Amino acid sequence: SQQGEEDPQALSIQEGENATMNCSYKTSINNLQWYRQNSGRGLVHLILIRSNEREKHSGRLRVTLDTSKKSSSLLITASRAADTASYFCASLGFQKLVFGTGTRLLVSP
Amino acid sequence: DAGVIQSPRHEVTEMGQEVTLRCKPISGHDYLFWYRQTMMRGLELLIYFNNNVPIDDSGMPEDRFSAKMPNASFSTLKIQPSEPRDSAVYFCASSILVETQYFGPGTRLLVL
Repeated sequence: SQQGEEDPQALSIQEGENATMNCSYKTSINNLQWYRQNSGRGLVHLILIRSNEREKHSGRLRVTLDTSKKSSSLLITASRAADTASYFCASLGFQKLVFGTGTRLLVSP
Repeated sequence: DAGVIQSPRHEVTEMGQEVTLRCKPISGHDYLFWYRQTMMRGLELLIYFNNNVPIDDSGMPEDRFSAKMPNASFSTLKIQPSEPRDSAVYFCASSILVETQYFGPGTRLLVL
């Protein structure tokens, strides 16, 4: 399977804490993206990092990319209950996005 | 823009019946994708179109599945005959480039 792997599979934290999710992928990529999925909803694009970038920030999100290790991480700082969702990485190879298995994040008030 | 629109949102059918899922992409987007999401297999790309032309259907499970895009604003995914293992959430997504995709709310399909 081309599918990427994410860990942890599930993460439970308190509001205000930081959440870190990791993603590994299998093939060479043009870019890597992170998406959020709230329960019962479609996926929403969060952030994109290109293969020649190492780090990117967007608000409370920080993404890193290590192409030598074929891995990426997503850090959500100062988490809120509204951040409760599943988070997926998606690697773009040749014309296809390949999604990871997802991390379920629960942020308790 | 209303975003990607999918219908129906929920579908319950019996094994052997034909199921048709519909999608209206965001206006101006020339890529359209159909995905299937299950607990066991995660999110899988079934097929995608560029300018209404199917580019890659290697993810379509078998001949029971077919997809069409007769024009830039409409696509269908058909399952005939449906089987219980087809039960899943089916997402349609569209994009300008392949990169950032905009997902619809999904169709939750249950085949009894």
